[in-house]
Amino acid sequence: GDSVTQMEGPVTLSEEAFLTINCTYTATGYPSLFWYVQYPGEGLQLLLKATKADDKGSNKGFEATYRKETTSFHLEKGSVQVSDSAVYFCALSPGAGSYQLTFGKGTKLSVIP
Amino acid sequence: KAGVTQTPRYLIKTRGQQVTLSCSPISGHRSVSWYQQTPGQGLQFLFEYFSETQRNKGNFPGRFSGRQFSNSRSEMNVSTLELGDSALYLCASKRAGGEEKLFFGSGTQLSVL
Repeated sequence: GDSVTQMEGPVTLSEEAFLTINCTYTATGYPSLFWYVQYPGEGLQLLLKATKADDKGSNKGFEATYRKETTSFHLEKGSVQVSDSAVYFCALSPGAGSYQLTFGKGTKLSVIP
Repeated sequence: KAGVTQTPRYLIKTRGQQVTLSCSPISGHRSVSWYQQTPGQGLQFLFEYFSETQRNKGNFPGRFSGRQFSNSRSEMNVSTLELGDSALYLCASKRAGGEEKLFFGSGTQLSVL
């Protein structure tokens, strides 16, 4: 079945550092890929998405590129802020009208001033 | 526009009891899905409803059930609770058609003692 593997962390960075959170997936067909973020005590929020190979999703300075050849969707940000501290989840949906998400285990990011 | 509303926010039950959780989607959203979040297993898909019909079901025992009403509100029920059912239960809603963007509620934290 479908699966998502992401680095579990926790990851601690200083403010303005570069962030990379690795995500790889296993799926048949042409899945859509997502990054969701969860702040303490809240539900998940969609951060960015990509629906086909070579698409780049971006939002709030975060970026991720859908790489079919390496089955990856790594999350990057050039300069993190304290407000970026949260748990980040990589996810996929199989497409073809199904919106059932398969999530990675999540990566907790802490940004220190 | 109000977001996805889940009630109650916290629940404490004992083994063997049953519980019902409620989810009110964003106005106009007709698709509702449920996820279980635990520290060990992460986020796992429970089921998805659209127009009062269950479209997909995850790999959970029959003790977990759900339904959707004509106003798109949804409930999930867990019977004969076990300690392992302790989790954050998240509901998400989505517009019919359109982009694959799920909007999540803040969840119901269920503790089984």
